[in-house]
Amino acid sequence: DTGVSQDPRHKITKRGQNVTFRCDPISEHNRLYWYRQTLGQGPEFLTYFQNEAQLEKSRLLSDRFSAERPKGSFSTLEIQRTEQGDSAMYLCASSLARQVGRSPLHFGNGTRLTVT
Amino acid sequence: AQRVTQPEKLLSVFKGAPVELKCNYSYSGSPELFWYVQYSRQRLQLLLRHISRESIKGFTADLNKGETSFHLKKPFAQEEDSAMYYCALSWGDSGYSTLTFGKGTMLLVSP
Repeated sequence: DTGVSQDPRHKITKRGQNVTFRCDPISEHNRLYWYRQTLGQGPEFLTYFQNEAQLEKSRLLSDRFSAERPKGSFSTLEIQRTEQGDSAMYLCASSLARQVGRSPLHFGNGTRLTVT
Repeated sequence: AQRVTQPEKLLSVFKGAPVELKCNYSYSGSPELFWYVQYSRQRLQLLLRHISRESIKGFTADLNKGETSFHLKKPFAQEEDSAMYYCALSWGDSGYSTLTFGKGTMLLVSP
């Protein structure tokens, strides 16, 4: 499968713990996005990278959240001191072009986080 | 701020019936509109975009700037169309670089 891959698929953690998710985009894609989806909602934008540069962050991305893409390939999303409100599906997507209308976003299967 | 509204959580139709999934947006500039679809146990994927003016799997959508709508239509629904459909918008202030999604509409096509 040469699509976007995310690891792990599921993560259960206790409140207050730190968690880290990984996303491997399609290899030639230079744009990488993180979205969060809660029950009954559509995906909500968190942040995106152009190669290794993080170009935009949503107000949803609190100080406890940090994303990196150190070599412009895979990306990690870390949540520190998790709260129950962080429980959600975290989606990663990648694309080839700067404008989403020119190149569609290719989504991964997501990482489902449950904070107990 | 830009917003996408999909008023129906669930749309249930019989096979062969026409389908219209509604999408309204709020943005004062020139947006680009998309429909993404998620079939059962599959990833979210692009269905169509207004700039392409294409028909995909029999679905079409026309951007109506006067009514700020981008409704998705299909004349004859098929069972395999059952899925979650999300309307999404990109906007000029962001360089058309990101998407804002609606909450989605579940389409259920019964035999």
